[in-house]
Amino acid sequence: EPEVTQTPSHQVTQMGQEVILRCVPISNHLYFYWYRQILGQKVEFLVSFYNNEISEKSEIFDDQFSVERPDGSNFTLKIRSTKLEDSAMYFCASSAQDTQYFGPGTRLTVL
Amino acid sequence: AQSVTQPDIHITVSEGASLELRCNYSYGATPYLFWYVQSPGQGLQLLLKYFSGDTLVQGIKGFEAEFKRSQSSFNLRKPSVHWSDAAEYFCAPHFGNEKLTFGTGTRLTIIP
Repeated sequence: EPEVTQTPSHQVTQMGQEVILRCVPISNHLYFYWYRQILGQKVEFLVSFYNNEISEKSEIFDDQFSVERPDGSNFTLKIRSTKLEDSAMYFCASSAQDTQYFGPGTRLTVL
Repeated sequence: AQSVTQPDIHITVSEGASLELRCNYSYGATPYLFWYVQSPGQGLQLLLKYFSGDTLVQGIKGFEAEFKRSQSSFNLRKPSVHWSDAAEYFCAPHFGNEKLTFGTGTRLTIIP
């Protein structure tokens, strides 16, 4: 069964550094999403992406964040200058037939 | 404002006992309704979904959920829980391909 995959599974970075989180959505899906979950808190929406552009973004998704679909398979989330409060689990999802399927997540630790 | 509420933060049940996790939503129209499960350190797995039609929907791992329009609820049930069901459960309504709005989650603990 097709799955959403994410790399790396765990990323440790220094505050102020740039990170890129990578996702490979399910191949025939057209809608893509990033969510995050700070430890002990609920899952929060960051951004949705369709037809090579952002369709919706949350207040969390400020100028430090960007998303890109650089080729036909990858979907990336970039954080330009990481802050301590960016430490969280980041989930990628892709959607077809109004149902979102999630990847296993990338745990980002900012030191 | 649109919202979803999971009133129970933490539930403990004995293995083999029945389970019901509550979910209430407040939307102008009836959204699509989903339940996801997150095992410790894992991602989010879709348990079941409701779009329309039969108000009792069956999901994976023996779970079912019942949509009740009059109560704006979509409660998750299982007749007999297994130790492997210990996890965090999230109710999430949404419309079409819009963002999912997750409830705060219910943490399920199973005791022998």
